[in-house]
Amino acid sequence: AQRVTQPEKLLSVFKGAPVELKCNYSYSGSPELFWYVQYSRQRLQLLLRHISRESIKGFTADLNKGETSFHLKKPFAQEEDSAMYYCALSDSTGNQFYFGTGTSLTVIP
Amino acid sequence: GAGVSQTPSNKVTEKGKYVELRCDPISGHTALYWYRQSLGQGPEFLIYFQGTGAADDSGLPNDRFFAVRPEGSVSTLKIQRTERGDSAVYLCASSSYRGYEQYFGPGTRLTVT
Repeated sequence: AQRVTQPEKLLSVFKGAPVELKCNYSYSGSPELFWYVQYSRQRLQLLLRHISRESIKGFTADLNKGETSFHLKKPFAQEEDSAMYYCALSDSTGNQFYFGTGTSLTVIP
Repeated sequence: GAGVSQTPSNKVTEKGKYVELRCDPISGHTALYWYRQSLGQGPEFLIYFQGTGAADDSGLPNDRFFAVRPEGSVSTLKIQRTERGDSAVYLCASSSYRGYEQYFGPGTRLTVT
């Protein structure tokens, strides 16, 4: 069963414009949600996790249990934000992780 | 210190052959995960180790796939009788504890001809 859905494979925004990367999930129980990022020629790395409620590089994500969403937002996109973004879900045990198919973000100068 | 390393970085093998992929996690990390990433897809969970034991191997696609972590550090993913559909990037990640931030390796690109 598809647990994490990222509906946009590609997303382009202009520098300085707001950006939102969508993520919806399907899971019964209390999952933990993450956003991972992969910059060009770099490894996959954690951007943020919902439990820490941090803002990393200007990005925030709010867990909406009613809509089962965990959209990633940034008010003003920068060129260095261009990357592949993956939404991920961990089951309640932390044993398994499910990743979405990813959204490739391009910030146009 | 060094991050997660994986060897080889690329592996080309013929259909039906046996391959081993190695992962060196960050020192002291007890949790280790293997993923498979096919083109255009996100990482797909294969197996999770806590220490030396496979705590969850429900993601292994079939019995041709096996993984070990005998001393709780280095892990090896073993694939028998490889098939063309096994071609993918195999990722390894480690964390200080299950569910915590995962640190990924660069991956091994496996091509089965």
